Amino acid sequence: ELKVEQNPLFLSMQEGKNYTIYCNYSTTSDRLYWYRQDPGKSLESLFVLLSNGAVKQEGRLMASLDTKARLSTLHITAAVHDLSATYFCAVVNAGGTSYGKLTFGQGTILTVHP
Amino acid sequence: DTEVTQTPKHLVMGMTNKKSLKCEQHMGHRAMYWYKQKAKKPPELMFVYSYEKLSINESVPSRFSPECPNSSLLNLHLHALQPEDSALYLCASSNWDVSRTDTQYFGPGTRLTVL
Repeated sequence: ELKVEQNPLFLSMQEGKNYTIYCNYSTTSDRLYWYRQDPGKSLESLFVLLSNGAVKQEGRLMASLDTKARLSTLHITAAVHDLSATYFCAVVNAGGTSYGKLTFGQGTILTVHP
Repeated sequence: DTEVTQTPKHLVMGMTNKKSLKCEQHMGHRAMYWYKQKAKKPPELMFVYSYEKLSINESVPSRFSPECPNSSLLNLHLHALQPEDSALYLCASSNWDVSRTDTQYFGPGTRLTVL
């Protein structure tokens, strides 16, 4: 059974600081997603990471994937208040009968304060 | 356009009511999903339809009944729900087939309250 674990689960950051969220998964998968969710809202796709060593960047967020270590990171650079949200990583279950089923991490609640 | 729409946005129902949630996408995606999300928890998969056929049912109670009338529409029929079924119900779609997996795009969700 595929398990996905994120840490930390809660992250309180000062504006301007850097931090990293970690996502570990238990079985082989070559596709990992990062989503953002604002309170009471839906999930917004941030990144899809397709292969070992993949790195994607958008603004102050950078995501990477190490399939050998089964680890993805989401790095936040010079945090700003607008980044406050819950961040989920999600891994696709391998196999043709998965129908693209996603297994989510627990989510990291990020709060950026002055 | 990567839009998935859901109606209604909010729904309050009693335990004896019958209601339906509706989801629509016009991206030509052949896989559609229903998720349930409780507060401060990740989404939990309920059902997957691929090519308009039910492909995955994650042991969801029969008081939830999905329906896929065509490739663009997905419904979730609700009957005799319990208060613990109160949650955010999310629909998603993706351009999945056997040889590839693509990003799942989520709708805005329906906030369901069962009294």
